[in-house]
Amino acid sequence: DIQMTQSPSSLSASVGDRVTITCRASQGINNYLAWYQQRPGKVPRLLIYAASTLQSGVPSRFSGSGSGTDFTLTISSLQPEDVATYYCQRYNSAPQTFGQGTKVEI
Amino acid sequence: QVQLVQSGAEVKKPGSSVKVSCKTSEGTFSNYAISWVRQAPGQGLEWMGGIIGMFGTTSYAQKFQGRVTITADKSTSLTYMELGSLRSDDTAVYYCARGNTYYYDSLAYWGQGTLVTVSS
Repeated sequence: DIQMTQSPSSLSASVGDRVTITCRASQGINNYLAWYQQRPGKVPRLLIYAASTLQSGVPSRFSGSGSGTDFTLTISSLQPEDVATYYCQRYNSAPQTFGQGTKVEI
Repeated sequence: QVQLVQSGAEVKKPGSSVKVSCKTSEGTFSNYAISWVRQAPGQGLEWMGGIIGMFGTTSYAQKFQGRVTITADKSTSLTYMELGSLRSDDTAVYYCARGNTYYYDSLAYWGQGTLVTVSS
């Protein structure tokens, strides 16, 4: 099975900072990569799919890039409401493995 | 608006089974795949398996093979996830989720989650 590895596992940044989270697949997955945000105590929310396509309603400060095995989620200007854990996930075939998550704090 | 509504919290004994349901409120059930994802306390998201509505075919994560069964009733738009031989480390919130295509898509819609507690 394809493994998904995120880094870092956690980070602390200031409001307004640019934040970058990386996700690496153990094999190429083309662009079948999604990013989710899970705020404390909440249901996960899809942020980005197809590696770089913003889900409807997601603020434009979120962006994604990458293809193949290396992917990046960027928050251009961190806001207090972005405190959450972020997960990458490969899809388009089973198993739809998640990364282990990156906890973002302020 | 797409809604996935799950059954309520469960408390189970070790060694028993639990069956969680998920009802999709909108769209033709056969047009989508439903995935089941779990999250143990303080832990990350874990994809357990899924079912493709159009074909009724299932796929399971290797970790859960032999212990989990996912089924669907097209007439009622209900999907079920049954996990057997429960252990204390199966205590988790279990989510159903759906994408926008018939196959294993990114998960745009999620149920509210069902807490399953395994305790003697």
